[in-house]
Amino acid sequence: QKEVEQNSGPLSVPEGAIASLNCTYSDRGSQSFFWYRQYSGKSPELIMFIYSNGDKEDGRFTAQLNKASQYVSLLIRDSQPSDSATYLCAPYGWGNQGGKLIFGQGTELSVKP
Amino acid sequence: SAVISQKPSRDICQRGTSLTIQCQVDSQVTMMFWYRQQPGQSLTLIATANQGSEATYESGFVIDKFPISRPNLTFSTLTVSNMSPEDSSIYLCSVDRPYNEQFFGPGTRLTVL
Repeated sequence: QKEVEQNSGPLSVPEGAIASLNCTYSDRGSQSFFWYRQYSGKSPELIMFIYSNGDKEDGRFTAQLNKASQYVSLLIRDSQPSDSATYLCAPYGWGNQGGKLIFGQGTELSVKP
Repeated sequence: SAVISQKPSRDICQRGTSLTIQCQVDSQVTMMFWYRQQPGQSLTLIATANQGSEATYESGFVIDKFPISRPNLTFSTLTVSNMSPEDSSIYLCSVDRPYNEQFFGPGTRLTVL
C-alpha cells in the first residue's frame, strides 16, 4: 500500500462545476495535511492546509479531513480554466529520519471552458 | 511565505560530470529540503539540511551522489555527482514554516546527455 494515494486522473470538469480531489494516507500519526497546486513547468504552490477534523474553507477551496478514515479531500467550487493543474496531497508524516511531507502522486485537473 | 531562489534555473550536462545547485532564501530558516521530481512523477525527498549539522538522507539517496552543504541559515547547495541520464529531473529546494508547511523554490531543470 502506498503511503499516500490520490484519485487517478486526469479529472475533467466543466467550467463552473465543483472539482473533488481525494486523498488517503496510511500513517495514522499524521497530524497536518497540505494541498499543493502545480502548474506544468512550475514548482508546487501551497493552497490549503488543515489540521482538525471537519471542513476548512478558503475562498473557492474547501479542505475536508477525516482522521478516523485517514481521508482528506479538496473541493474547488466554481472551477475556472485557470484551476487546471496537478494537485498534490501531502500529509506531514514521521519517517525513520523525522518529520517530513509525504507527497501523493498527484491528480491532474482539467477545467473545460 | 518565503522568497526562494535557485541557480541555475536549468542546465544541460554531460554524463560523468557534476552540477552544484544553489538555493537562497530571503529569511533565516531552520530546515531546508531538497526534492527531485522526475518527468511525470511526484516529488521525492532527497535529504533534509539543517544548518551546522550533516544532512539527513532518505532511503535510496547517498551523500557521495548528492552531497549537500548548509553553511548558514539562508543558503544551501545540492551537488549531483557523476551524473547519468537517469539524473535528468527537476531539483527543488524548499523551506519549512512554523506549521510544517513548506514553500518551494522555482526549481532547477537538469538534463544529462
